[in-house]
Amino acid sequence: KAGVTQTPRYLIKTRGQQVTLSCSPISGHRSVSWYQQTPGQGLQFLFEYFSETQRNKGNFPGRFSGRQFSNSRSEMNVSTLELGDSALYLCASSSPGQGISEQFFGPGTRLTVL
Amino acid sequence: AQKITQTQPGMFVQEKEAVTLDCTYDTSDPSYGLFWYKQPSSGEMIFLIYQGSYDQQNATEGRYSLNFQKARKSANLVISASQLGDSAMYFCAMREGSGGSNYKLTFGKGTLLTVNP
Repeated sequence: KAGVTQTPRYLIKTRGQQVTLSCSPISGHRSVSWYQQTPGQGLQFLFEYFSETQRNKGNFPGRFSGRQFSNSRSEMNVSTLELGDSALYLCASSSPGQGISEQFFGPGTRLTVL
Repeated sequence: AQKITQTQPGMFVQEKEAVTLDCTYDTSDPSYGLFWYKQPSSGEMIFLIYQGSYDQQNATEGRYSLNFQKARKSANLVISASQLGDSAMYFCAMREGSGGSNYKLTFGKGTLLTVNP
């Protein structure tokens, strides 16, 4: 079974631009969560989607948004990029049938904002 | 207060020896889950082991075991027979609630493990 995939793997943007990251969950998984990892703040939860609905949201400004499609693929968008948005963005997928005892992560997208 | 505390920023262990990575947690929810992940320098988070708050026995997965002490709110990861490939960052994480609709994980700051030959 293929794992969680994220595209692109690396991205360089400049301040003020916007960016869209993509995540394809493991086949059959309907929940996708997004996390931001920075050296200063560590790993922080952004949001979680299940069946195209956002169920949980972390403490991030409205510049961070996401969506999920009917095939469970998810995208997150960051508008008006700031230098502090430079981070590794990880997505994770879960299957409700597994009782959230496992959450599998993708390889991440490393975003650099110049 | 931090929900997940990993007090060891870095640890060193000799190859083939066992090592314990510490994790304490804070929650008032009777239902929760505890996770350990490994993150090599490549960045991918690799799931290692899970312990539910109602699980009677400590979780084990191959060379990994979780020393779960509920009263002390600790969930230490034990790696037996360390290998050079175990050198990585290790994160403890918690999910609060029954998990039916809460998939949010709260992570600790991590412990950087270095295995020496």
